[in-house]
Amino acid sequence: QVQLQESGPGLLKPSGTLSLTCAVSGGSISSSNWWSWVRQPPGKGLEWIGEIYHTGNTNYNPSLKSRVTISVDKSKNQFSLKLSSVTAADTAVYYCALVAGGHFDYWGQGTLVTVSS
Amino acid sequence: EIVLTQSPDFQSVTPKEKVTITCRASQSIGSSLHWYQQKPDQSPKLLIKYASQSFSGVPSRFSGSGSGTDFTLTINSLEAEDAATYYCHQSSSLPRTFGQGTKVEIK
Repeated sequence: QVQLQESGPGLLKPSGTLSLTCAVSGGSISSSNWWSWVRQPPGKGLEWIGEIYHTGNTNYNPSLKSRVTISVDKSKNQFSLKLSSVTAADTAVYYCALVAGGHFDYWGQGTLVTVSS
Repeated sequence: EIVLTQSPDFQSVTPKEKVTITCRASQSIGSSLHWYQQKPDQSPKLLIKYASQSFSGVPSRFSGSGSGTDFTLTINSLEAEDAATYYCHQSSSLPRTFGQGTKVEIK
């Protein structure tokens, strides 16, 4: 079974850049799946951020597209998220997930990122 | 963007009761609708894929139905461990979107 683990700073200042990495184990990031980021503000619902295929092809949520970059590192079997110009509205638990056949089959445990001065 | 609207937002249910949660899409999405369960302080878990297919290891009391714009998640004979928030999600078109969630509480 594939396992995913998010890592990165838990506290950011406004206007900074959020950087998270998702390590994949139990499977290859070069498999025929998309690898996605989803976030959840405290006490709220789920928001899809974007996704990447191992070839480097990406899809982003138009609401965040101007600030988001997702990349893949096949040598380390991991993928990453960068979100620029963060504000308090970007405070959320960030999840990475495996997308197989359009549905999110496996999720990481999530990491809370707080944006505060 | 396809908007998914779940109802109800909240449901308080006694054990062994049947639970029905609906998800309505703003346009037809065929059967590209999936259901997740999220317990407090945990990540979401896939329950049902493509409207009615159970994901591996999911108890048989969970079932899904529907197509087009109207979908239903049913929990037969609710158990205490089913207390959670349930989300629908569509993969018919980008951006991927989720319903607002339905919280199920055990009385």
